[in-house]
Order: sequence, then structure tokens, then C-alpha cells
Amino acid sequence: DTEVTQTPKHLVMGMTNKKSLKCEQHMGHRAMYWYKQKAKKPPELMFVYSYEKLSINESVPSRFSPECPNSSLLNLHLHALQPEDSALYLCASSQSMSTSGGDNEQFFGPGTRLTVL
Amino acid sequence: AQKVTQAQTEISVVEKEDVTLDCVYETRDTTYYLFWYKQPPSGELVFLIRRNSFDEQNEISGRYSWNFQKSTSSFNFTITASQVVDSAVYFCALNYLYNFNKFYFGSGTKLNVKP
Repeated sequence: DTEVTQTPKHLVMGMTNKKSLKCEQHMGHRAMYWYKQKAKKPPELMFVYSYEKLSINESVPSRFSPECPNSSLLNLHLHALQPEDSALYLCASSQSMSTSGGDNEQFFGPGTRLTVL
Repeated sequence: AQKVTQAQTEISVVEKEDVTLDCVYETRDTTYYLFWYKQPPSGELVFLIRRNSFDEQNEISGRYSWNFQKSTSSFNFTITASQVVDSAVYFCALNYLYNFNKFYFGSGTKLNVKP
């Protein structure tokens, strides 16, 4: 099973709403990633979790709050977002954050298309 | 500095034509990894291939082939006998040893295959 699942597929929210994005993988991967992708741009890294601990935060505004409840799940909590936060949010996983042993390809989920009104 | 350049923003071909997507990278590291991903309109990035810097052997997988040349810092991707299902955005990416598996993506090449 090389699948990463994400829910919901689409989300529309107002600027005062609180919502959460969910990501799940059952490949035994110990690193999980959140990316933001605007139209016609490559994915931009937001957060990286390694062994359920936040390892990298790419200076993301605090209105985005990640959470890793266990090794298979990754959440992204959203609060007081701005219209410019509308984008495709992608989750990915890999064996680990280490690049020394190979097997460092990241497997991506289908993404959540977020629209902030 | 790490950088990946995909100079072709968009390419259009007719089905059954061969097409090559270019990827040029910059890195000072001697150990690094190069990747290609496909992103169809559905949005998911699909992993296609990983190459490490010590393996310059070209690879073929069905209609796909990759040409890695360290001398020109290029990792080009060729689709032979293209099909409509190959229409997607293709990203080349780079990471290097001990960088926490952080990917440097190129800007992507949109491939349109017309019937």
C-alpha cells in the first residue's frame, strides 16, 4: 500500500472559521510533510514531522497549526485564514527525514483544495 | 546554493510524438538526489524516479526514459510515443545529503498531449 489519503478533497471556509485538514498513511513512514501549492507553482514546504515531532517549520504563520497525533496521522488546523491562503494543500510521507540511506522519495496525497472567502 | 531549472514552461505535442522535458540543477554537494514527479489535473504528485549522484546510468521504464549527465548538470526526461494520459505538469526536484529530505522543486513543465 503506497497510498497517502487526505480529507476533505475540497474545503470552502470563511475568514473566521476553524477547520482541519487530515492526512493518513499506512506505509510505516516516520516522516510526514505539509506543502502549500498555488496555481502554476511548485509545492512549497510548510512543516515536517519526524517520528511524530515537529522538525521543520518554514516560518509559516500561526494561523496554520500542525499536529501529529500518531505515526500514521497528520493534521493541519486552520484558523482566521486569509483569502491569499487559498491553495492546494498537499501531504506527503517518506521513510524518514534521513537522506543518507536512499529511499527518500516522498509519496504525496491527492491534496485538499482550500478556498478562503 | 541549490537550484533546479525547468526552462520549458509548457510543451504541446500530438499523440505518438516523442517529447523531452529538460531539467538543469545546481548544487555544491557531491552527494545529492534527483527526482521526477508527475502532477495530473487531479492534483496528486506521482513519484516517477529517484537518481543519486553516483549513479549516472540512464534508466528506461516502459515509454519513459531518463538521461542523467553530471557533466552538464542535467537530468532530462523523455516520453516516447506520448499519450493523452501523459498530459500533466512534471516537476524535477533535488535534495542532498543531510538536508532533512527537503526538496528543491523546479517550476514545472506543463505537457499537453493532443489526440
